[in-house]
Amino acid sequence: SQQGEEDPQALSIQEGENATMNCSYKTSINNLQWYRQNSGRGLVHLILIRSNEREKHSGRLRVTLDTSKKSSSLLITASRAADTASYFCARTTSGTYKYIFGTGTRLKVLA
Amino acid sequence: GAGVSQTPSNKVTEKGKYVELRCDPISGHTALYWYRQSLGQGPEFLIYFQGTGAADDSGLPNDRFFAVRPEGSVSTLKIQRTERGDSAVYLCASSLFKGNTGELFFGEGSRLTVL
Repeated sequence: SQQGEEDPQALSIQEGENATMNCSYKTSINNLQWYRQNSGRGLVHLILIRSNEREKHSGRLRVTLDTSKKSSSLLITASRAADTASYFCARTTSGTYKYIFGTGTRLKVLA
Repeated sequence: GAGVSQTPSNKVTEKGKYVELRCDPISGHTALYWYRQSLGQGPEFLIYFQGTGAADDSGLPNDRFFAVRPEGSVSTLKIQRTERGDSAVYLCASSLFKGNTGELFFGEGSRLTVL
């Protein structure tokens, strides 16, 4: 399979709690992006982190990248019911613009 | 419209029939991608175009699948002799590349059901 691994596959938390999801991959990357997908809808870009970066923030989102461990994590702080969605990481490798998506984490935030 | 447009939104067909799915990208976006997504899975890469040419078609599952982008804008994904296993949501995305940092803008997808 061309897809990377994400964990957990599913996550259920209470509103106000933080949500952390992880993405692992096998080959070296050029950049890594995180996307969100509401049920039955298209994907929406959240944040991009380059291979020479270790951490990025955007509002309540924090992304880290550890190239030595070939993994990235997405942290959503102070979650809201509206954050309920599936979250995917997508990566490119050097010399290509082909984005490979992970299997996704289905997040449910309970009000 | 400002976003990526995909038609039809839903297509039901019979096994063995021919299907065309259309994608109208954001104006000016040079790159266009096709993905396939099955229930509970992540998007699976099929093909991407830079301008009119297919830069990478390594994800097309077999020769029943073909995609074109003749004028570097609208793209059509063509599936011949459809099989039940082709049932999925077909997603199109476009991107305005600046180096290798292009954010993908997705359409809402075309849901294909093969009976």
